[in-house]
Amino acid sequence: DADVTQTPRNRITKTGKRIMLECSQTKGHDRMYWYRQDPGLGLRLIYYSFDVKDINKGEISDGYSVSRQAQAKFSLSLESAIPNQTALYFCATSDSTGGTQYFGPGTRLLVL
Amino acid sequence: AQSVAQPEDQVNVAEGNPLTVKCTYSVSGNPYLFWYVQYPNRGLQFLLKYITGDNLVKGSYGFEAEFNKSQTSFHLKKPSALVSDSALYFCAVRALYSSNTGKLIFGQGTTLQVKP
Repeated sequence: DADVTQTPRNRITKTGKRIMLECSQTKGHDRMYWYRQDPGLGLRLIYYSFDVKDINKGEISDGYSVSRQAQAKFSLSLESAIPNQTALYFCATSDSTGGTQYFGPGTRLLVL
Repeated sequence: AQSVAQPEDQVNVAEGNPLTVKCTYSVSGNPYLFWYVQYPNRGLQFLLKYITGDNLVKGSYGFEAEFNKSQTSFHLKKPSALVSDSALYFCAVRALYSSNTGKLIFGQGTTLQVKP
């Protein structure tokens, strides 16, 4: 888990605020992913990036944006947070074969 | 469309007994199948995967899973459960030949409770 880090680990914000979640990895992987976890729904893919110039929407991208600043960094932004974005957010990485994904420790976000 | 189902929200087992956490999948083409475990306040940890070859896959912490193509299942098993195995378990699938290469579809998760 230490190979994939996320900051902050916990965040409380208010409706309408802009917030950024950051992810860094030292695994040297090309591919990075952002998921959100909600109880009973498993993990759902928000955005994914196969390299610095390749960013793709996942199944629930509305209300989110991302930036791949470097191979090792992939940030997720909520431009105007709303309460139903309260969730646990995970970053993950995988190599170019797209096999096993390795996850960060998660960011717990509460939007009031 | 690809999908994964974990039919049990929770599995309860006594320590020392065998455990099974069920997973079925639906995917076009040959699947990559994964199991992950999530301990409280932790990220997901990779347990094992099936890509090809032997249908019985061995993974971390004494877990194993059996790929059954005819039943489209990939159940997670352990011969003797430990209290420390109590956690949330996720099954995930990726199609081998897919325009969405690399994307995993996760089941909703199964909570395993092992009682002393």
